[in-house]
Parts: sequence; C-alpha cells; structure tokens
Amino acid sequence: SAVISQKPSRDICQRGTSLTIQCQVDSQVTMMFWYRQQPGQSLTLIATANQGSEATYESGFVIDKFPISRPNLTFSTLTVSNMSPEDSSIYLCSVDLNGYTFGSGTRLTVV
Amino acid sequence: GENVEQHPSTLSVQEGDSAVIKCTYSDSASNYFPWYKQELGKGPQLIIDIRSNVGEKKDQRIAVTLNKTAKHFSLHITETQPEDSAVYFCASYTGRRALTFGSGTRLQVQP
Repeated sequence: SAVISQKPSRDICQRGTSLTIQCQVDSQVTMMFWYRQQPGQSLTLIATANQGSEATYESGFVIDKFPISRPNLTFSTLTVSNMSPEDSSIYLCSVDLNGYTFGSGTRLTVV
Repeated sequence: GENVEQHPSTLSVQEGDSAVIKCTYSDSASNYFPWYKQELGKGPQLIIDIRSNVGEKKDQRIAVTLNKTAKHFSLHITETQPEDSAVYFCASYTGRRALTFGSGTRLQVQP
C-alpha cells in the first residue's frame, strides 16, 4: 500500500485566514481523496482530486471554501479558506493503491 | 447513496477477551470493506480489509467476516490487549465514489 506524507501535522490559525495542507504520495495514483473529521466524529469526504482536471466536491463543500490543486500524480494540496472556528477539524488525504490508506492528518484549530 | 451503520458505539472488554464490532451497508454494489484503527492524534490506520468475493479473512488476532446476502460485515479481535484500545471505523466502497464510513466504535481494553 502507499505511504502518504501530510503536512503540517497541526496548526492554530486566526479566523479569516487560510491554510494550505500538502499531501505527498510515494507512488503515482490517479485519484486522491480529501476528508474532514470533526471532533469526535467519523470521516466525511470533501472532494476527489484527479490529476489534470478539476476536483469533484461532495454536497456541502464548495471550491471557493476548499480549493484543491493536483499538479501531478503524487501530490495534492487542500486549502481551507476564510477560516472560522467551525472549520476546526482533522483534515486527511487518502489514496486507493492496493488498499485504501490515509495520511497522518492535519489537526486544525481556528481561534 | 451508500449508508453504513456501525455498532456498538462503545465497547469495553477485559484483557484477553474477544471484541466484535458489526457494520451493515445499504448499497449492494459495494465490493470492498476496510477496517481502520485510529489512535488519539493520529490518522486512521488500515488494519484489515475484505473484498466481496471472500467470506472471511484473518490476520493474526484480527479477522473480518462478510455476509453479502445480509449486507453486513464484522471485525473480530481475539486475545485483546491494552494497546488495542482505540476508535475503530468500518467503511464500504462501491468503486464509483470514495469510502463511506461508519460512525466508529470506541474500544477500551481493561488490563
């Protein structure tokens, strides 16, 4: 299965600012997935990122709030824009390569 | 869309006992069922998975069973140890979208 490096591992941000999360995979993959895990909750899919095309967003998530880049087959970024305390969550990237694996997550706190 | 229900939400067992977590899914097209262990402050770790052409899979103390007719699958942990204490998530995958997760089970193994 793939090894995923995600950074930053955690951050504390002021409301109204933006944070970009990076995800690097040790293998080439067609699709990368971004999830959100709110405190004490399960994981919710934000969007699917395909290389060379625009990301596909799930209901309740919009590109203006969560812009995604996918410049090549091993890398993706998720930006959380104009943050509010409600955005405080763990954000995770994931790939499906001989098993569906996750990065270690980015724990975001918005104050 | 797919819906995954997971039970119980919390489970407390004595060290050495077995633990069983059950999930049901709604989409008969689902064909991949992974289980994740999430420790505090970490991303979900894939511990075992099963595909729809298999009824049971074992890996040391961990086993997963799948009943396609009833649309349910279960995680079995034998000879539990304190380090098994974590939150466990089941998930299902149809191949058309990303994973759909259960709500999680907090397992506490009492020494």
